[in-house]
Amino acid sequence: QSALTQPASVSGSPGQSITISCTGTSSDVGNYKFVSWYQQHPGKAPKLMIYEVTKRPSGVSNRFSGSTSGNTASLTISGLQAEDEADYYCCSYAGSNSLWVFGGGTKLTVL
Amino acid sequence: EVQLVQSGAEVKKPGESLEISCKGSGYSFSSYWIGWVRQMPGKGLEWMGIIYPGDSDTKYSPSFEGQVTISADKSITTAYLQWSSLKASDTAVYYCARYVAGILPVSVTHDYGMDVWGQGTTVTVTS
Repeated sequence: QSALTQPASVSGSPGQSITISCTGTSSDVGNYKFVSWYQQHPGKAPKLMIYEVTKRPSGVSNRFSGSTSGNTASLTISGLQAEDEADYYCCSYAGSNSLWVFGGGTKLTVL
Repeated sequence: EVQLVQSGAEVKKPGESLEISCKGSGYSFSSYWIGWVRQMPGKGLEWMGIIYPGDSDTKYSPSFEGQVTISADKSITTAYLQWSSLKASDTAVYYCARYVAGILPVSVTHDYGMDVWGQGTTVTVTS
């Protein structure tokens, strides 16, 4: 199964907002409300930031929010901070045959 | 504290077998799925498969079916990822993670994501 499509990189200045897109198909993102987002700093394990499209785990800043429209999911980070600089991955359920699939990842640079 | 602790780094030759482990603590190990994720050098995350330690129900991504074996021993709260014959292309960091999801044979009722991760195990396959 193909990975979900994310931009390779995005950037923003401290205090600004950025949005990372995650484009799938009607077989995954467009068909299930089971999209999650992970943050990964270099050399570290990923961290869950968003699950079921819009929900934040306990302890995750409310500066992080998720949404979907059609076959595309989005992660928005508002009030950018230096510590947000990391790689971000989306992940979607894709049915009982393909199970789950990750996006290719997006490198966020805080200028 | 909920924790997943993985076994240490491995250096192997092509054709050799290998098993890496992921030990859970601080929660009911049998009641949560454990997932495995691959990250090749400089690359993104790849979803490999999951296991429910309570009954060893296992599901594989089509990309990894037949390439690896996922197992678990609930009596010692440990999950495993196994290769019977390694290839150079298996060189990667492998993560285990607790998966909070309601996974039925042909559907999913809820998916709260991979909320606790192991530290990763680096596997290097080189001749």
